[in-house]
Amino acid sequence: NAGVTQTPKFQVLKTGQSMTLQCAQDMNHEYMSWYRQDPGMGLRLIHYSVGAGITDQGEVPNGYNVSRSTTEDFPLRLLSAAPSQTSVYFCASNSGANVLTFGAGSRLTVL
Amino acid sequence: GNSVTQMEGPVTLSEEAFLTINCTYTATGYPSLFWYVQYPGEGLQLLLKATKADDKGSNKGFEATYRKETTSFHLEKGSVQVSDSAVYFCALSVVTSYDKVIFGPGTSLSVIP
Repeated sequence: NAGVTQTPKFQVLKTGQSMTLQCAQDMNHEYMSWYRQDPGMGLRLIHYSVGAGITDQGEVPNGYNVSRSTTEDFPLRLLSAAPSQTSVYFCASNSGANVLTFGAGSRLTVL
Repeated sequence: GNSVTQMEGPVTLSEEAFLTINCTYTATGYPSLFWYVQYPGEGLQLLLKATKADDKGSNKGFEATYRKETTSFHLEKGSVQVSDSAVYFCALSVVTSYDKVIFGPGTSLSVIP
């Protein structure tokens, strides 16, 4: 039972590069979301999805894109990386009972 | 808007000491309240929750009571262990078309033998 799987665990980018953080869940959860974790700021919601084909913006969406073509996958794309996007990113899923299941996180450094 | 405030720490305790981490919230409507725990190098996991006023959530010796009158959900444990060293996040969710979960800043706890 894998739960929520995120890849890669670590990534270093140069300013202006693009990349995709992958997220997959095997629990058939409707809802998926991406958070970023920064010191002293808790977790902030970037984007979320309430089902395949449906996405919406969270609190801090600028500089990120998402898509949800299947129930299982919810990739997060950084279009042109900036140092301000250095953070730890968490993907989460839930079935509507408000209890989130988190991945192990992806640590991104933008130089 | 909806928000969560908690003591940021870091908190350092000796093994077997009593733990309290304060959490207060602001919310429209009637939120569900949660404590999540993040062990080093891992993602967050649910520790306990409460869905209505006066409910008490409990798990692994931790407890928290939903206090509507003081808008609080303080986390307590009577005797902490070294293995409890982690970051603890208070969170709330208000039912809308999508149950967005809002997190506090987290409280880092270190327990020393």
